[in-house]
Parts: sequence; C-alpha cells; structure tokens
Amino acid sequence: DIQMTQSPSSLSASVGDRVTITCRASHGIRSDLAWYQQKPGKAPKRLIYGASSLQSGVPFRFSGRGSGTEFTLTISSLQPEDFATYYCLQHNSYPHTFGQGTKLEIK
Amino acid sequence: EVQLVESGGGLVQPGGSLRLTCAASGFSLRTYWMHWVRQAPGKGLVWVSRINDDGDNIMYADSVKGRFTISRDNAKNTLYLQMNSLRAEDTAVYYCVRTLVHSAYDPDDYWGQGTLVTVSS
Repeated sequence: DIQMTQSPSSLSASVGDRVTITCRASHGIRSDLAWYQQKPGKAPKRLIYGASSLQSGVPFRFSGRGSGTEFTLTISSLQPEDFATYYCLQHNSYPHTFGQGTKLEIK
Repeated sequence: EVQLVESGGGLVQPGGSLRLTCAASGFSLRTYWMHWVRQAPGKGLVWVSRINDDGDNIMYADSVKGRFTISRDNAKNTLYLQMNSLRAEDTAVYYCVRTLVHSAYDPDDYWGQGTLVTVSS
C-alpha cells in the first residue's frame, strides 16, 4: 500500500499569510494526487486534481505542485473562509490513501 | 441537481450488521464508478471501497475486506454498503462519493452528507 505522509498536522496562520502543506508518497504516484478541504460537519471538497490543476470554481489563491513522491498545496493569501482541514489523496493505486490531514487555524 | 443521500446508519452492537444506502438523484448512477469513504469522529478520511459502473470490478480497504460488501442497483439508482461483523473501530461517518477521481468524463466532485455508524455495546 502507498502511504501518504502529510505535514504539518496543524498550522496556525493569519489572514493574508502564504501557507504551504506537503504530502509525501511512499512510492511514486506520478501526478495521481488530489487535495481536499473539509470544514467541520461538512463533506470534503476537492480543490486540486492531477497534482496541479485547479478544480472548477476554486479560487486562484490555491495552487498545487509536484509529481512522483513530493507534493505541495499552497494558499497564496489566506482568507477567513480558508481556515479548515486539508487532506491529500493518492489515487494511483488501490487502496486509495489520504494523508493524515492538516488543520489550519487562525493565529 | 446532483444529489447523493446516505441512510441506514445508527447504533449497532459489536458483531452486528448494518446496510448503508446511497440514493442518487439528478444523474444516472449506471455510468459512474462509486466509492465509500469514512471518517471516525475527530479523525481523518479513509477510503473504504469502490465499485465500477457494471458492478463486476470491486476493491476494498484491507480493514474491511471480508466483512463489508459494496453493491449497486443501477435500476434503482442506488449504491449499498453491507457491513457485517462490525467492530468499534468501524465507528465513523460514511460518505458515498461519485467517481472520486477527476476525469474529462466526470470533472465534478460529489459527496453525500454522510451517515453516522456507531458500533458500541
């Protein structure tokens, strides 16, 4: 199975900050990676697919990079609605696996 | 409007069974692969199972293999998850998800609202 190691597990930041979250895959997964945002009590919402493509309707301040084993999600200028938990998902092979999550909190 | 509505969750004793249902509306289920994803209270997301459009290609997480069965009734536009031999660690919100992976055929992202399964004596 492919393990996804996501860091940091939590992050405290301010509105307007630039933040980056990292996911590392235990084996190469090409660009078969997505990023999700989840708010309390809600289903996750996909932000990025194919490691770097922006899901329709998602603000341009979100961006993804990487391929192979190392991936990043960057939010260029945090907005109040961005405080949530973020997950990466690899879908290169089964079982699909999520990262452990990064909880982004207001400083 | 595309909707996925899960039902069937509840409180069950260890060793018991439950069947979750995901009713799809606003689209024809028969042309999409479907997934179940779960989330234990306060924990992260875990992929559980996937079924292809015809129902003849199925995958499971190791943690549920042999205990859970995913199935679909395309005529009823409904997805199922039969859960047997339930354990405390199966306690979670269970989401049904259309496709899960972006493609040109299905570029959108649809999740149900989730149904809570609690396994406890």
